[in-house]
Amino acid sequence: GNSVTQMEGPVTLSEEAFLTINCTYTATGYPSLFWYVQYPGEGLQLLLKATKADDKGSNKGFEATYRKETTSFHLEKGSVQVSDSAVYFCALRISGTASKLTFGTGTRLQVTL
Amino acid sequence: DTAVSQTPKYLVTQMGNDKSIKCEQNLGHDTMYWYKQDSKKFLKIMFSYNNKELIINETVPNRFSPKSPDKAHLNLHINSLELGDSAVYFCASRQGAASYEQYFGPGTRLTVT
Repeated sequence: GNSVTQMEGPVTLSEEAFLTINCTYTATGYPSLFWYVQYPGEGLQLLLKATKADDKGSNKGFEATYRKETTSFHLEKGSVQVSDSAVYFCALRISGTASKLTFGTGTRLQVTL
Repeated sequence: DTAVSQTPKYLVTQMGNDKSIKCEQNLGHDTMYWYKQDSKKFLKIMFSYNNKELIINETVPNRFSPKSPDKAHLNLHINSLELGDSAVYFCASRQGAASYEQYFGPGTRLTVT
C-alpha cells in the first residue's frame, strides 16, 4: 500500500537556524508529493508540491525536491522564523485514486528566539 | 469570504448522543472530503464526495454517515458517539482532476465525555 514516514518531532530550533524535516514514502504507483502546514488552531494549508521526479517545490523560503531514487521529499529552509512554528505534514497522492491524500504523522516545529 | 467553513468549531457531547458537523465551500469545487485527526495529529481520510456522489469510503464505522445535499455542502452525522470519536474533523474541497490542491476548513474539535 501507500504510506508516508516523517521524522518524529518536536523539532526545536533557534531563529535563523537551518531546518530539515525528513520525509520518505512508499507507493504502488507514481505519486505526486506535498507538504502541508498546520498553524496552531487552524486547518491545513498547502505549502509546496512536486509532481514528478527531480521537481523542486518551493514557497515562503521552504524547498523540497522529489527524489525518486531515494523515495524522499525532505523539507528544508535556510533560516527559520518564530512564525514558522507549526506542524508540517508530508503527503502523497496517486493519480486515479480520487485525489485521496495519504499523510505522514506530522512533525511539530518549534522555533524560539 | 471564507473558502471552506465548518460548524461548529467546538463540540462537546456525551457518549451515546448523535451529532452533526456541517461543511460548506464557496469555491465552486466539485469534490469534498472529511478527514479525522487524532490526538497524535495523525490525519486520515474518511469520505469523499464528487458532485454529491460518494467516491471514497474508507474503513469507517457505519455510525458515521456523510450527506451531501448539494455540491457546496458535505455534512457528517455521527450516531451513538463513543469516546474514541474524540478528534478534530477537517473538511476539505478540491476542483477538478487537474488541480492537486485541497483546501481545508478550520476543523471541528469533537470531545466525547
